[in-house]
Amino acid sequence: DQQVKQNSPSLSVQEGRISILNCDYTNSMFDYFLWYKKYPAEGPTFLISISSIKDKNEDGRFTVFLNKSAKHLSLHIVPSQPGDSAVYFCAASDNAGNMLTFGGGTRLMVKP
Amino acid sequence: KAGVTQTPRYLIKTRGQQVTLSCSPISGHRSVSWYQQTPGQGLQFLFEYFSETQRNKGNFPGRFSGRQFSNSRSEMNVSTLELGDSALYLCASSWDRLNTEAFFGQGTRLTVV
Repeated sequence: DQQVKQNSPSLSVQEGRISILNCDYTNSMFDYFLWYKKYPAEGPTFLISISSIKDKNEDGRFTVFLNKSAKHLSLHIVPSQPGDSAVYFCAASDNAGNMLTFGGGTRLMVKP
Repeated sequence: KAGVTQTPRYLIKTRGQQVTLSCSPISGHRSVSWYQQTPGQGLQFLFEYFSETQRNKGNFPGRFSGRQFSNSRSEMNVSTLELGDSALYLCASSWDRLNTEAFFGQGTRLTVV
């Protein structure tokens, strides 16, 4: 039973345009969400997070939106750059906070 | 400030052997957790330690075990290795709970032949 799903395995966008990566979850106990970027053979790099008490969090080019009623979150990258090309994972934790449940990842390709 | 350090980076073992992987968390971080990444199963939670105590455990067989030392360094052990244990093993550290920005190491790539 996949509690966190990223339904798009891959996404291709043009440099300078917006990248939107989506993530859905089923467990209503999740109250904290994180996005990670990962290159092959390396560990995930933390990008941005959001608590369930918020619906938006921004950090530079990265914005995460949370829609609790739809159990959906998205990561917006504006403007997209070729260096953003990587696999992006969303992750969720409940208020106990001692484990992360990951989605399957979305491979983002930003074309110059 | 040094990041999360995992050793070794690469490891090749034979079926039936056992292996120990090491993780040194970011200085001051007391929570260390372990994840397995495989192409088919994605990133799956193994276990989490805080102040030398296991707080949570994922759905893995008893061949997978871990421990944490007083300096917060952690080790995970896999006994009686199977081919399916080939994976990237990732360690993450955070100050307390994982929902306070968990930082990952580069991982140990284990190949079982």
